[in-house]
Amino acid sequence: GAGVSQTPSNKVTEKGKYVELRCDPISGHTALYWYRQSLGQGPEFLIYFQGTGAADDSGLPNDRFFAVRPEGSVSTLKIQRTERGDSAVYLCASSLIGYGARRYGYTFGSGTRLTVV
Amino acid sequence: GQQLNQSPQSMFIQEGEDVSMNCTSSSIFNTWLWYKQDPGEGPVLLIALYKAGELTSNGRLTAQFGTTRKDSFLNISASIPSDVGIYFCAGLLNNNAGNMLTFGGGTRLMVKP
Repeated sequence: GAGVSQTPSNKVTEKGKYVELRCDPISGHTALYWYRQSLGQGPEFLIYFQGTGAADDSGLPNDRFFAVRPEGSVSTLKIQRTERGDSAVYLCASSLIGYGARRYGYTFGSGTRLTVV
Repeated sequence: GQQLNQSPQSMFIQEGEDVSMNCTSSSIFNTWLWYKQDPGEGPVLLIALYKAGELTSNGRLTAQFGTTRKDSFLNISASIPSDVGIYFCAGLLNNNAGNMLTFGGGTRLMVKP
């Protein structure tokens, strides 16, 4: 597509429930990133995919968080047993790896605003 | 947690005034990026800086990559109402693990017409 698409744009869930957040990157972008942005703060890195594999998942806060990218395109961020502290905007970004990524930075989606009540 | 200190946290200025914001880090970065984020949207890249000392302009925006590689500033000249938003600096340390960005806490800019 023309840009990075994230769905849903808003998600309200009850504490303890399971949620899935979807990211559809720009066609041809091999690198995909998930970031989390809490209110009044800058985005914080969660996980980076190069193709189908998670090249760096050091930002995932705990084992309730998991992400997949089975075909190297669409990615799903999965959160189990949600807690109120998980409430944030989850941003996805994609980029061309290598030269493209360095010269032009990422392209971010509009994010999914997750509210855990 | 975040490693970049961005200041000021917020600014309320009159239309037509110039704006300056900066970012400092305890770590060296190879690339500095400046983003703008509007409500309900993801950050949009404004300017990218690739080497120490580099000064780059994009219209009314000017940014510099500090010579120590630990800081950067962004200037906006002759501000207009559509400049309102949150500005983020981000540092990139290219390595084989990927191009992970570290963001500052943001500067919220408000412009009074």
